[in-house]
Amino acid sequence: GAVVSQHPSWVICKSGTSVKIECRSLDFQATTMFWYRQFPKQSLMLMATSNEGSKATYEQGVEKDKFLINHASLTLSTLTVTSAHPEDSSFYICSASIGGDPYGYTFGSGTRLTVV
Amino acid sequence: AQTVTQSQPEMSVQEAETVTLSCTYDTSESDYYLFWYKQPPSRQMILVIRQEAYKQQNATENRFSVNFQKAAKSFSLKISDSQLGDAAMYFCAYRSARNTDKLIFGTGTRLQVFP
Repeated sequence: GAVVSQHPSWVICKSGTSVKIECRSLDFQATTMFWYRQFPKQSLMLMATSNEGSKATYEQGVEKDKFLINHASLTLSTLTVTSAHPEDSSFYICSASIGGDPYGYTFGSGTRLTVV
Repeated sequence: AQTVTQSQPEMSVQEAETVTLSCTYDTSESDYYLFWYKQPPSRQMILVIRQEAYKQQNATENRFSVNFQKAAKSFSLKISDSQLGDAAMYFCAYRSARNTDKLIFGTGTRLQVFP
């Protein structure tokens, strides 16, 4: 089946530094990538939607300058948390979809970010 | 805007018994898709079952079935013959049939399974 590889699975960084999270669709072309944030024992909150070759669409309240999303190819999307602070510590999950398939969602395994 | 509500933060069930997780949603649309996802401790999201709103027949996947009540905007998940491996967070999700394909998730229900 369709697989999305997300890396790293966990990362610890110092406050003020930037962290990049990658999601690759291994055996299919992901026309759209969704980025979610999940706090402990809470639901997945959509941060942004990106389509290959286009600028990402951010949800209300999400700082686009802080959470940079790049979807340069149909198999790779990245989320960069810039100038990370402890409040950015969270679990980040990507989900890829294939255009035209209402059920075609494949999730990455998530990245636990800890900012110290 | 569409919303998804799961009113049971936690549920528990004895192994081999049946449990039902509730989900209600609010939408003005007539065509949409509904999903149940499982998130075990590994945090990997796993699709459990899905339902098209235009289909009256309830979806079934082995031990998992749904009770889809479109008029009541209800989409409950029934797990039969519960197994220890069913213990996880369960999220109900909604997707519009329009050109936006993002999933809207409920707040989740933590299911515990006791031997």
